Amino acid sequence: EADIYQTPRYLVIGTGKKITLECSQTMGHDKMYWYQQDPGMELHLIHYSYGVNSTEKGDLSSESTVSRIRTEHFPLTLESARPSHTSQYLCASSARNNSPLHFGNGTRLTVT
Amino acid sequence: GQQLNQSPQSMFIQEGEDVSMNCTSSSIFNTWLWYKQDPGEGPVLLIALYKAGELTSNGRLTAQFGITRKDSFLNISASIPSDVGIYFCAGQLKGKLIFGQGTELSVKP
Repeated sequence: EADIYQTPRYLVIGTGKKITLECSQTMGHDKMYWYQQDPGMELHLIHYSYGVNSTEKGDLSSESTVSRIRTEHFPLTLESARPSHTSQYLCASSARNNSPLHFGNGTRLTVT
Repeated sequence: GQQLNQSPQSMFIQEGEDVSMNCTSSSIFNTWLWYKQDPGEGPVLLIALYKAGELTSNGRLTAQFGITRKDSFLNISASIPSDVGIYFCAGQLKGKLIFGQGTELSVKP
């Protein structure tokens, strides 16, 4: 079973602040993902990475950026947060193509 | 882009009843996954299906990978209150996962 950790669990910040959402996994998975989810709605892929120094944009356009300097770490950054960024952000990892994704518990972000 | 249609959107059932939900797509997938999400938590994998026609059980849950590779269903037998939550199907192709809209299940004791 994958161990994948997201911090913080909850974050309330003001407009214009720069924030970084952390995601770490201890299973050595090459593939990592960020999904955005509004309450009770479907998940939308915003970023993914197939390995170190590889990052791609997902299907849903996002103003956030990601980096993958280490296999276990896949942080997501918002340079200037806006109320429209209020959402839940879920990180996931998988071992290989067509392996199930394992999710963290998410970061619920509120921008005031 | 690729889309999954999941139905029903919500269900209100009595404890002990059986539940069925399904997903269809115009796209072919290599893998179908079913997840359950509790409020404030991340989705948790319930069942993974890897071959067309595959029927897999996990306790009271049974899921099938459609023969056309474009659909899947999930059945829950003898529902209990802790089955409450949102169930998501997901189709996987080339490492990317596309999610359905979710089925919100409510169980009355």
